[in-house]
Amino acid sequence: KAGVTQTPRYLIKTRGQQVTLSCSPISGHRSVSWYQQTPGQGLQFLFEYFSETQRNKGNFPGRFSGRQFSNSRSEMNVSTLELGDSALYLCASREDPGGQTAFFGQGTRLTVV
Amino acid sequence: AQSVTQLDSQVPVFEEAPVELRCNYSSSVSVYLFWYVQYPNQGLQLLLKYLSGSTLVKGINGFEAEFNKSQTSFHLRKPSVHISDTAEYFCAVSHFGNEKLTFGTGTRLTIIP
Repeated sequence: KAGVTQTPRYLIKTRGQQVTLSCSPISGHRSVSWYQQTPGQGLQFLFEYFSETQRNKGNFPGRFSGRQFSNSRSEMNVSTLELGDSALYLCASREDPGGQTAFFGQGTRLTVV
Repeated sequence: AQSVTQLDSQVPVFEEAPVELRCNYSSSVSVYLFWYVQYPNQGLQLLLKYLSGSTLVKGINGFEAEFNKSQTSFHLRKPSVHISDTAEYFCAVSHFGNEKLTFGTGTRLTIIP
C-alpha cells in the first residue's frame, strides 16, 4: 500500500503570496490532519478533516485553511504569507477519526522570502 | 488539556551502548501514547504505540517503551544502538474522542562511533 503522499516537497514563496499544499492519504484512510513544524514552536496541530468536514482546529490564524475532497485527498491553503510561515508542513492520515494511529507523509518544506 | 515533556533535547550515545529517551505526559483522561522518529529532511515514522493492554510495547528497529501510569511516563529504550539510529525522536499523546496529537519538543539522538 502506498503511504501518505504530499506535493510538492519544496516550495519557495514571497511574502504576501498565497500557497496551496496537497496531501493524498493512504488508500482507505478517510481522516486527514495537518501539522506545522518549526524550530521555534515544534510540531503544532493545524486541523483535521473527515468526510469533507473540518472536525478539529488548532490555534492558527484564519489565513490557514483547508479542505477535503470526496476521495479523501486534502489541501491546505495559506494566504498572505509571512516570513514566520516558513516551516515543514506535515500531513497525516488515519482510517477514520476513531483510528488511533496517524501515519505521516514526507512533508512539504515551505520557505517564505 | 494534555502536554508532553521530553526532558532531554540532545542525547549522545556510543555505538552499541544502550539508550533511554525520556517522556512524561500530563492529561486528565486516559491517553494513547506514541513515539515517532524523524530522519533529516523526512516526515515522521511511527516507532511504537501504547493504546491499552500490556504496558511494555515493542516497536520497529529494536525499540521498546514502557507505559507507567503512576509516573505518567513513556520512556523509549534500545539495548544497543547503531549509527543508523541517529535521528530526532518525538513522543506524542492523544486520547479517545480527540485524536489530535500533542507532541513533545523532541530529543536528538546522536550516535558516536
